[in-house]
Amino acid sequence: KAGVTQTPRYLIKTRGQQVTLSCSPISGHRSVSWYQQTPGQGLQFLFEYFSETQRNKGNFPGRFSGRQFSNSRSEMNVSTLELGDSALYLCASSLAPAGGSDTQYFGPGTRLTVL
Amino acid sequence: KNEVEQSPQNLTAQEGEFITINCSYSVGISALHWLQQHPGGGIVSLFMLSSGKKKHGRLIATINIQEKHSSLHITASHPRDSAVYICAVRGGADGLTFGKGTHLIIQP
Repeated sequence: KAGVTQTPRYLIKTRGQQVTLSCSPISGHRSVSWYQQTPGQGLQFLFEYFSETQRNKGNFPGRFSGRQFSNSRSEMNVSTLELGDSALYLCASSLAPAGGSDTQYFGPGTRLTVL
Repeated sequence: KNEVEQSPQNLTAQEGEFITINCSYSVGISALHWLQQHPGGGIVSLFMLSSGKKKHGRLIATINIQEKHSSLHITASHPRDSAVYICAVRGGADGLTFGKGTHLIIQP
């Protein structure tokens, strides 16, 4: 069974631009979560989707948004990029929705650099 | 908001040593995860615990719900165990809250 895939793996953007990252979960998984990892803040929760519904959202500004499609693939979007948005963005999928007792499987991440 | 503290932050040990990494959290949780991250970024979920103890190969994870504390043990450590180990907790339907991680280096 294929693992979680994320595209693109690397991305360079300039301040003020917008970016869309994609995550394809493991086949059959309906829950997708997004995380941001930076050297200063470590791993932080962005948002979580289950069956196309956002279940909860972390403490990030409205420039960060996401969605999930009927095939469980998910995208996250960051508008008006800032230098501080440079980070590794990870998605993870699981069978169960938020709060469920289920293992999360992580993708390789998208490394975003904002210049 | 849950606060997750890990100790130690950095640990260097010799091959074969018994390793313990600790995680404490401030608010009751529904589940605790131990994650492993190798250089390059890939994260692997090692354990998910809500009570008791789990074992997988040379890895053992325990949790004490009353004391809000969990430990990850590595027996007969090996250089390939060198990685960052991250504790994460989930409270109810909230997203995961992560510790800062423990950087483990096992020297041959």
